[in-house]
Amino acid sequence: GQQLNQSPQSMFIQEGEDVSMNCTSSSIFNTWLWYKQDPGEGPVLLIALYKAGELTSNGRLTAQFGITRKDSFLNISASIPSDVGIYFCAGIDRAGNKLTFGGGTRVLVKP
Amino acid sequence: DAGVIQSPRHEVTEMGQEVTLRCKPISGHNSLFWYRQTMMRGLELLIYFNNNVPIDDSGMPEDRFSAKMPNASFSTLKIQPSEPRDSAVYFCASSFTNNSPLHFGNGTRLTVT
Repeated sequence: GQQLNQSPQSMFIQEGEDVSMNCTSSSIFNTWLWYKQDPGEGPVLLIALYKAGELTSNGRLTAQFGITRKDSFLNISASIPSDVGIYFCAGIDRAGNKLTFGGGTRVLVKP
Repeated sequence: DAGVIQSPRHEVTEMGQEVTLRCKPISGHNSLFWYRQTMMRGLELLIYFNNNVPIDDSGMPEDRFSAKMPNASFSTLKIQPSEPRDSAVYFCASSFTNNSPLHFGNGTRLTVT
């Protein structure tokens, strides 16, 4: 079946730093989505991307839909403590079938 | 907009007992999804419905699991009999169509002892 490889699996951030994570797939997707999950809550949609090459921002978050349609990245600029959580990429294939999720990137604060 | 509402938030039960999880999707959404989340497997799709009809239940792990959607505003996921390996967080999500972004509920944390 389809798989999304998300990296890194975890990362430590220091307040003010920029953060990047990405997702790659062996198959083409028509839609890329980025979610954030806080402890005890469900994933919340951050950004949705619908066209190859599309670059979309939501506040300090920026995500891009890769030209090959097989990858996407998410950047967080000037991170703050509340950015900690688990970030998931997700993709919808060309057939418009069910959403496939990446394994998540756990963002933690540097001690 | 109330969002996707799930109940209960937490469920602790003994092995062999029946468990029923409930979900109210966002009004106007035509697709409903049940996911299971564990540390080992991440987010797994169990089943999804379009217009109250089950479309893909290939993710349902065993016959012990069943899901229904009697109307557009309610769905249940039932486990009977429950086993300790069913312990996980179960999420319900809804979307306008099956290929539009999902909106998740806050999940039900199930513990089977």
